Amino acid sequence: NAGVTQTPKFQVLKTGQSMTLQCAQDMNHEYMSWYRQDPGMGLRLIHYSVGAGITDQGEVPNGYNVSRSTTEDFPLRLLSAAPSQTSVYFCASSYGETGNTIYFGEGSWLTVV
Amino acid sequence: AQSVTQLDSHVSVSEGTPVLLRCNYSSSYSPSLFWYVQHPNKGLQLLLKYTSAATLVKGINGFEAEFKKSETSFHLTKPSAHMSDAAEYFCVVSEAGTYKYIFGTGTRLKVLA
Repeated sequence: NAGVTQTPKFQVLKTGQSMTLQCAQDMNHEYMSWYRQDPGMGLRLIHYSVGAGITDQGEVPNGYNVSRSTTEDFPLRLLSAAPSQTSVYFCASSYGETGNTIYFGEGSWLTVV
Repeated sequence: AQSVTQLDSHVSVSEGTPVLLRCNYSSSYSPSLFWYVQHPNKGLQLLLKYTSAATLVKGINGFEAEFKKSETSFHLTKPSAHMSDAAEYFCVVSEAGTYKYIFGTGTRLKVLA
């Protein structure tokens, strides 16, 4: 039972480069989301999806794109990396109804130099 | 609008003494409330959740929390701290009818031998 799988775990990018963080879940969850974690700021929602073909912005969406072509996958794209995007990124999923447990991936440590 | 405030950014306790991590929330409607734990360089793991059933919620590893609507609080407690409890703890609120989970800024628990 893999749960939520994120790749890569570590990545160093140069300013202006693009990359995609991959996220996959095998629990048939409707809801998937991406958070970034910065010291002293908790987790902040970047984008979320409530089903295949449906995405919406969270609290800090600028500089990030997402798509949801299947129930299982929810990749996060950085189009032109900036040092301010240095962070730890977590993918999460849950069943659609409020109150359900959110399951997290192990995290992706991204450094932009 | 939903919000959550973790009143202490750092808490230190001696091994074997009680733990109290404080959380206050703001929510217009019936909230769901969660506590998650994050060990160093790991993802977040659910400790416990409240979803309008019993107000005293028991979780894993001996933790429990009490939902107090009159005080808008959801404090996390444990009778006796263990060294393995050293981690960061996040209080999370989600409002009925939304897909959004709002995280507190976290409380780092240190357990002294």
